[in-house]
Amino acid sequence: AQKVTQAQTEISVVEKEDVTLDCVYETRDTTYYLFWYKQPPSGELVFLIRRNSFDEQNEISGRYSWNFQKSTSSFNFTITASQVVDSAVYFCALSEPHFGYSSASKIIFGSGTRLSIRP
Amino acid sequence: GAGVSQSPSNKVTEKGKDVELRCDPISGHTALYWYRQSLGQGLEFLIYFQGNSAPDKSGLPSDRFSAERTGGSVSTLTIQRTQQEDSAVYLCASRSGLNNEQFFGPGTRLTVL
Repeated sequence: AQKVTQAQTEISVVEKEDVTLDCVYETRDTTYYLFWYKQPPSGELVFLIRRNSFDEQNEISGRYSWNFQKSTSSFNFTITASQVVDSAVYFCALSEPHFGYSSASKIIFGSGTRLSIRP
Repeated sequence: GAGVSQSPSNKVTEKGKDVELRCDPISGHTALYWYRQSLGQGLEFLIYFQGNSAPDKSGLPSDRFSAERTGGSVSTLTIQRTQQEDSAVYLCASRSGLNNEQFFGPGTRLTVL
């Protein structure tokens, strides 16, 4: 069965600190996708990144970076020089690839990490 | 707008009443999903539509929950005889047939008194 674990329920840091959000996943599929979503107080889910299971190259986008390690089934997310606007709940998620009509490719979400950035 | 829209944004109902939640996916997206987010929890999958058919209904929590999709576009999630534990934010997402990225709507916050 597929499962995503975000062990950190809440994190609070002071602005400008770096912070890493942990994500560990379980799947029997050899092909899958991993995601990170941000949910600010407004409630709407904001897509941050999607990573194919065959692509273990780490990715950096501005202050955001992602470390995908298949060996440990982890897909961690680091925010460098955090800002108050980064305060949100962050969800790590996993889905199977879309193989056809009956393949839902539903996204399995972790329980989220609430990140608070203090000024 | 070009995104997924949902209505109403908020719904307060009394226990035992039926409610209907609506989702308008991105135009041309063939796949549509319903998820539920209970307070302080992650999202849980409810149902998946491909066109007007629902090949995967495995997440519907009880037979009080049903959904339909017409014209390959708008979807309605119906909850009959609502219970307090149904209180949650109900999120809809749509996906094109080409890749795995799902685009989420703003959600409907349902409160059952």
